[in-house]
Amino acid sequence: GEQVEQRPPHLSVREGDSAFITCTYTDPNSYYFFWYKQEPGASLQLLMKVFSSTEINEGQGFTVLLNKKDKRLSLNLTAAHPGDSAAYFCAVTASSGSWQLIFGSGTQLTVMP
Amino acid sequence: EAAVTQSPRNKVTVTGGNVTLSCRQTNSHNYMYWYRQDTGHGLRLIHYSYGAGNLQIGDVPDGYKATRTTQEDFFLLLELASPSQTSLYFCASRTGRSTEVFFGKGTRLTVV
Repeated sequence: GEQVEQRPPHLSVREGDSAFITCTYTDPNSYYFFWYKQEPGASLQLLMKVFSSTEINEGQGFTVLLNKKDKRLSLNLTAAHPGDSAAYFCAVTASSGSWQLIFGSGTQLTVMP
Repeated sequence: EAAVTQSPRNKVTVTGGNVTLSCRQTNSHNYMYWYRQDTGHGLRLIHYSYGAGNLQIGDVPDGYKATRTTQEDFFLLLELASPSQTSLYFCASRTGRSTEVFFGKGTRLTVV
């Protein structure tokens, strides 16, 4: 079945720097892709969802890149600030009819002032 | 905003104990999911359901049962809890027409 590998597991950056997180997936038929943010003690908050027909999506302070050829999904937080400190998870839908979310193992981001 | 409510939020039980985690959503969502979250593994799917009375096995079902009694309520049962089931459990739901999944706030279960 689908497998999702997320790197790095831990990331520490200075305020104002960029933070780059990458996921690779195995199923070429995966169609929906998600990034979630989880603050300490909180639930998962959807940052962005992208579809296989899109390649670049921009949100507030971040950019999501989807490279279908390489089966790679990336999150780039531009000009990170301490409020971005959290765990980030990518997720990919399985292409089977059950539509399960397969999660990466997460990246713990720390943004230092 | 869709709401998914989990109870209890924290639970401590002994090895061999019987535990039920509850999840309720009042959004008329068809699909409900139980995940466990462990360091280094992200979220892993235990069981899920398409609707009342329906149950599907996820990726890590061993040691867990689930029951979907109504459209709103989805329960996760640990009949013989083991320390390996110490984890943070999330319930989630979605409609059949949307890709967006809504998560509860989680239940932290400790098996001593």
